[in-house]
Amino acid sequence: EPEVTQTPSHQVTQMGQEVILRCVPISNHLYFYWYRQILGQKVEFLVSFYNNEISEKSEIFDDQFSVERPDGSNFTLKIRSTKLEDSAMYFCASSAAAWVGELFFGEGSRLTVL
Amino acid sequence: GIQVEQSPPDLILQEGANSTLRCNFSDSVNNLQWFHQNPWGQLINLFYIPSGTKQNGRLSATTVATERYSLLYISSSQTTDSGVYFCAGPTGNQFYFGTGTSLTVIP
Repeated sequence: EPEVTQTPSHQVTQMGQEVILRCVPISNHLYFYWYRQILGQKVEFLVSFYNNEISEKSEIFDDQFSVERPDGSNFTLKIRSTKLEDSAMYFCASSAAAWVGELFFGEGSRLTVL
Repeated sequence: GIQVEQSPPDLILQEGANSTLRCNFSDSVNNLQWFHQNPWGQLINLFYIPSGTKQNGRLSATTVATERYSLLYISSSQTTDSGVYFCAGPTGNQFYFGTGTSLTVIP
């Protein structure tokens, strides 16, 4: 069964460092998303991406965040200068359609900022 | 954005018991999904259910789109059902998640 894969599964970084989280969406999907979940809280939307551009972003997704689809398979989330409060589980997701398509999640990348 | 409310927030069940989890939306959504977040943090797709009723083993779900709610039924619960159950639905280009129901099934 096709699946969304994410790397790394866990990353520990120092405050102020840049982090890149990688995702390989399901191959025939067109819409890609990043979500985050701070420990014990609900899953929060960060950004959606379609046709090589951001289609929607939340207020969490400020200038320190960026997304990119550098090739035909990878979808990355970059955090430019990490803060302690960026510690969270980051989930990548993809869907075949935006509003009516089923959303499939990767297993998540746990980011710990020290 | 829309508000997604789930109830109850916490639930403790004896193994073998049945339960019903509820998800209410403040606005119309084009589809609705239920997820199970296991103790390792993974989000597992349970149901994609814009409307109607679906069943998968001991789990079933019903969405009444016109009344903006969905129900998840768990029958004959097992300890492996423990975790957090989220519902989510899209508006615009993002999916909104509920606050979740934390389920603990004790042997």
